[in-house]
Amino acid sequence: NAGVMQNPRHLVRRRGQEARLRCSPMKGHSHVYWYRQLPEEGLKFMVYLQKENIIDESGMPKERFSAEFPKEGPSILRIQQVVRGDSAAYFCASSPRDSNNEQFFGPGTRLTVL
Amino acid sequence: DAKTTQPTSMDCAEGRAANLPCNHSTISGNEYVYWYRQIHSQGPQYIIHGLKNNETNEMASLIITEDRKSSTLILPHATLRDTAVYYCIVRVATTSNTGKLIFGQGTTLQVKP
Repeated sequence: NAGVMQNPRHLVRRRGQEARLRCSPMKGHSHVYWYRQLPEEGLKFMVYLQKENIIDESGMPKERFSAEFPKEGPSILRIQQVVRGDSAAYFCASSPRDSNNEQFFGPGTRLTVL
Repeated sequence: DAKTTQPTSMDCAEGRAANLPCNHSTISGNEYVYWYRQIHSQGPQYIIHGLKNNETNEMASLIITEDRKSSTLILPHATLRDTAVYYCIVRVATTSNTGKLIFGQGTTLQVKP
């Protein structure tokens, strides 16, 4: 049973470009979470999704950031018009049907904005 | 969710038990204690969780005080690969909980040969 997969592992973008980060949860997991870790800082919750629904986006910046988890395919975290302050490691986690189960994290995508 | 307090850093000799404390004095009756760790630059890894009874799995043991105001994560025989940042997280486990984890600064455990 493969773990949580994220791609790309490393992403370089210039200011103003768009970044798309993909997350494939573990097989059988229908809950996905995105977290961000800025350099030398702790992990911060961004958004929680179930299939086709955003459940909690209280940690998402109000502008430029969006997330989706379609019926088919991976979850996508999209950052429009990236700025240098978006440079961070973005981690995805998944859990089974009950959101109170432990979360299994992917290896992360390291975004660098030039 | 209740706030947790952990020491910033700890050292442990390889092969010895590592005991990582966590204070959660404002914990509510329906809040669980979770432990995760993050080995350098990797995604966090779930270790263990508990409500009020002590718990043990293949990775670690979790000792929760009777008043539930503090807990200790025990790695019985620490190895160099256990060097990581360890996070103690308290969160409600109900159907209305969105499941998000609130990470603090954690404890940086350095296992030394």
